[in-house]
Amino acid sequence: EDKVVQSPLSLVVHEGDTVTLNCSYEVTNFRSLLWYKQEKKAPTFLFMLTSSGIEKKSGRLSSILDKKELFSILNITATQTGDSAVYLCAAYSGGGADGLTFGKGTHLIIQP
Amino acid sequence: DSGVTQTPKHLITATGQRVTLRCSPRSGDLSVYWYQQSLDQGLQFLIQYYNGEERAKGNILERFSAQQFPDLHSELNLSSLELGDSALYFCASSVGGQGPEAFFGQGTRLTVV
Repeated sequence: EDKVVQSPLSLVVHEGDTVTLNCSYEVTNFRSLLWYKQEKKAPTFLFMLTSSGIEKKSGRLSSILDKKELFSILNITATQTGDSAVYLCAAYSGGGADGLTFGKGTHLIIQP
Repeated sequence: DSGVTQTPKHLITATGQRVTLRCSPRSGDLSVYWYQQSLDQGLQFLIQYYNGEERAKGNILERFSAQQFPDLHSELNLSSLELGDSALYFCASSVGGQGPEAFFGQGTRLTVV
C-alpha cells in the first residue's frame, strides 16, 4: 500500500525563523513528489519535484527530493505569519491508481 | 482563485439521504479528481475522470458514484449517507490524464446529522 508520512505533525515557531518540513514516501512506480499549502480550504500547489537533488525555489520557499532515500524536504526561510497553514506532501505514481497519495500534513503556526 | 468551482459550499443532511456535489473544472482541463478530507484520514483520493471516462479509482465506497459530463463538469453522488461520511469533499482538475499537478476547488463541507 502506498504511504506518505510527514513530520512533524505540528510546528510552532516565531516570525523570522527558518523551518524544515519532512516528507517520506513509499510508493509503487513513483513519478513525482508534490507540495501543497492549505490555509482555510483548498490546497494550493507549491512545487512538483521529479528529479533527485535538484532544488526548486519560489521566494522564501524551497524544496528538494532525494529519490534514493525516498524523502523530500520543504524549507521556509524568514517565516511570516502568512506562512501559517497546513503543508501537504503528496506522491504521484502515475500508474493504474492515478491520483495522489497525500500525507496527513504538517500544521505550521508562525507566532508574531 | 484556482478556477475550479464547487457547489454547494456547505451541505447538511440527515443519515440515509443522498446528495450530489458538483464540480466545474478549470477551462481546458480534461481531468477531474475527487478527494475526501476528514480530520483523521487526511486527503483521500476517491476517483478520477478524464474527458468523460473513468480513469482511476481510489478509496471510493460503493455507496458513492461519480460521472463526468460532455461539458466536462463532474458530479459526485453520495447515497445512504452515514455520520462518518461527514467531511470536506474536494474536486481538482488538471490538463491531461497523466499530470499530477492539479488545481483544487474550495471544497464542499458535508455534514451528516
